[in-house]
Amino acid sequence: ILNVEQSPQSLHVQEGDSTNFTCSFPSSNFYALHWYRWETAKSPEALFVMTLNGDEKKKGRISATLNTKEGYSYLYIKGSQPEDSATYLCASGDYGSSNTGKLIFGQGTTLQVKP
Amino acid sequence: DTEVTQTPKHLVMGMTNKKSLKCEQHMGHRAMYWYKQKAKKPPELMFVYSYEKLSINESVPSRFSPECPNSSLLNLHLHALQPEDSALYLCASSQDSGNQPQHFGDGTRLSIL
Repeated sequence: ILNVEQSPQSLHVQEGDSTNFTCSFPSSNFYALHWYRWETAKSPEALFVMTLNGDEKKKGRISATLNTKEGYSYLYIKGSQPEDSATYLCASGDYGSSNTGKLIFGQGTTLQVKP
Repeated sequence: DTEVTQTPKHLVMGMTNKKSLKCEQHMGHRAMYWYKQKAKKPPELMFVYSYEKLSINESVPSRFSPECPNSSLLNLHLHALQPEDSALYLCASSQDSGNQPQHFGDGTRLSIL
């Protein structure tokens, strides 16, 4: 994988459903994996930054896991609420750019939660 | 409220105009970034300033000229832009290196006539 890829591109769920989506990134020279939430008419908001294989992070109903050997991360949302509707972006950085903060972003997964 | 402030929020300019986008943060962050985002595409990195020095220029055309007057301010000077430069321009900052989260502004929506 040369780029950062996210799937699915979009997702529609009912309020209360749990959901998850995937971010695939280059595993060679991996340095850091970022997740951001981007609500319409707002700025992207950092959710997690993960660096270690097997890392699991949690923020309220949202959690993320990281597998650096195979180059993927999952984002989970438990009991989705309408306010979770947003585009979720992942971004990967490698060792070559670790001192500059350069990130390559995926296209995002757009989540719509219906009340 | 975002901690990274971008002005203006919207800008419409002709191809011969000169304008500037401004970005400000007061979180003591030492890295600042400019991104360009076209509809339905991910943000694309343009420039990175680290400790007020330009550390990355992603082969951006010279009609875009960044400037970092001090650690809190980042400007993007625009001159002789093309219609394809119409996009959302996002500024971000982080403490320093790549394992720190980036804090984004709301962006400037730029339209080139």
